[in-house]
Amino acid sequence: NAGVTQTPKFQVLKTGQSMTLQCAQDMNHEYMSWYRQDPGMGLRLIHYSVGAGITDQGEVPNGYNVSRSTTEDFPLRLLSAAPSQTSVYFCASSTGSNIQYFGAGTRLSVL
Amino acid sequence: EDKVVQSPLSLVVHEGDTVTLNCSYEVTNFRSLLWYKQEKKAPTFLFMLTSSGIEKKSGRLSSILDKKELFSILNITATQTGDSAVYLCAVVRNNDMRFGAGTRLTVKP
Repeated sequence: NAGVTQTPKFQVLKTGQSMTLQCAQDMNHEYMSWYRQDPGMGLRLIHYSVGAGITDQGEVPNGYNVSRSTTEDFPLRLLSAAPSQTSVYFCASSTGSNIQYFGAGTRLSVL
Repeated sequence: EDKVVQSPLSLVVHEGDTVTLNCSYEVTNFRSLLWYKQEKKAPTFLFMLTSSGIEKKSGRLSSILDKKELFSILNITATQTGDSAVYLCAVVRNNDMRFGAGTRLTVKP
């Protein structure tokens, strides 16, 4: 069972570079979300989607873009990376039960 | 502003001890409260609570929600070294989930 798959697992960027973190789920979940996790701060919601074609901002959306063209995929784009975006990023998906299932995470460093 | 507060932030116990982790919340449009366990990588689901006073139990772990006083507790009895992890509390609102900062539990042999 693949569940929620995130790629890459690790990434190092220079300030100003752009990149896309990939997230795919094979559980036919309508709801998908992106979080960042920083030391001592738990998980903070960046963006979420309640279904294909629908996205909305979470708690910390600045500097990130998302799109949801299919049910399976929910990529997160950093347009111009900044050191403040150094973090561990988690993608999650869920059905209407609200129980979210998380991917293994992407550790991003911005130099 | 909505918030989820967990206490203590960290806890060190010895095997066999019983621990109680706390989660208090102030959120609009509350739907449910979830507990997750996070070891090295992704958080894994433990419990979902929607009704007050109904204990959820799984082995040595149990949890209960008080919607009047706006808090939940997670109990772990007869702790083992494998219980060492960060325990996260999260509150589901209408369309999103707000996490607490977590409690880091260390169980020593």
